[in-house]
Parts: sequence; structure tokens; C-alpha cells
Amino acid sequence: DSGVTQTPKHLITATGQRVTLRCSPRSGDLSVYWYQQSLDQGLQFLIQYYNGEERAKGNILERFSAQQFPDLHSELNLSSLELGDSALYFCASSVGPSEAYEQYFGPGTRLTVT
Amino acid sequence: EDQVTQSPEALRLQEGESSSLNCSYTVSGLRGLFWYRQDPGKGPEFLFTLYSAGEEKEKERLKATLTKKESFLHITAPKPEDSATYLCAVQSSLGSSNTGKLIFGQGTTLQVKP
Repeated sequence: DSGVTQTPKHLITATGQRVTLRCSPRSGDLSVYWYQQSLDQGLQFLIQYYNGEERAKGNILERFSAQQFPDLHSELNLSSLELGDSALYFCASSVGPSEAYEQYFGPGTRLTVT
Repeated sequence: EDQVTQSPEALRLQEGESSSLNCSYTVSGLRGLFWYRQDPGKGPEFLFTLYSAGEEKEKERLKATLTKKESFLHITAPKPEDSATYLCAVQSSLGSSNTGKLIFGQGTTLQVKP
């Protein structure tokens, strides 16, 4: 158990809908990362937050947004869902914003868009 | 552009048959190279961080090494429970990449038969 929690574990929804994925980092970690894992793309970095502020953006679609709250949990919002958004979404956390700190991953949310 | 390539894509070993997995990388200033293990449907599990060429780290039957262009994950006398996908990732230290963003390879799927 990494100490990172994610809910829900599974999500099935229809195209065009909006969903929210939730992540709680390990105790003491200030950075939260979101990654998407699909069969053809592998693990892709989406976005990073550090202590409530956006730190870095990767290949995140405009239909996707995220935020980190004062209690440090984070939410990833996916809207106008398309079939191609079906994937595993992982949250990870680390102590600091960069400096090669280890990132610990949560169990993931499996999103299926039908 | 920062890039990570892992080989082979898949590897089948007999129990006790030692081997190595390769991770080749190009990055604009290496802050750290990370190895993770991922079981099907689960989140990546942190194994090692390597920071500079010549560094080595060991954990049970696994040993990770680093050169200026690649990293190896050596598996000595593997057991069936070592079967998993092994992921390599890099973190860049230069310019606008001063974040915790990880760039992952596609992974090597290892199967160890009893």
C-alpha cells in the first residue's frame, strides 16, 4: 500500500458526460501528479500541483482540468468524454515539487466510456 | 525531446534464469532515473532512483545500474512472483522542465515460469 488513495476504482459512463476523479496524497506529500495510462500510449503525464498551485502541464486536453484543495487532495475533471478517453488514470504524490523525489502511485481509476 | 525506450518489450524466463532489462534515454539534463514495477490493473510500485552515471542500487533479486545513456535492471535467479511489467522513467533538470514530471518508457513485461 503506497498511502495514496483514489476513488472511484471503476467508472463507466457515456460519451459526452463529465466525471470527477479524486485523489488523496500520502501524509506529508505536497505534490500531486495525474497520469493517464492507455494500451497504445503507455503512462503519460497530465498535470502536477504543488501545495495548491499548478506546477506543470503535460499532454492534458482542454476538456480536462484539475485542482488541488487546501487539504491537499486533488480532483481531475474530465468533460465531454469521448471513447478514446477510456484508460487508467493514476494519481501520484511526492514530498517536493521536483528534485527527483520518489513518486508514489495510487491504485488508479479505470474509466470506461461507452 | 526527452525520450525513454525500453527493451525487450517482453521477456520470458525460467525460474532461476538471470537476465537484464534495458532502458535507453535521451534527456535535457538528468535529474533522476526511476524504476517501477507494475502488476496488471495496479498502480506502479516504486523500486529505485538513480541520480548519476556509475551509480548502482540493489533490492533483493534486483539490481539497477546507470550510465550516461542507459540503465539496466538486472534480475538474479528470478522467481515466478517477479513476473510483472517493469517501467523506467526519467526526470529532466533543465529549463522549463524544472518540475517533477516523469517521462516513462513503454515497459518490459517479464514472465517467470516455475
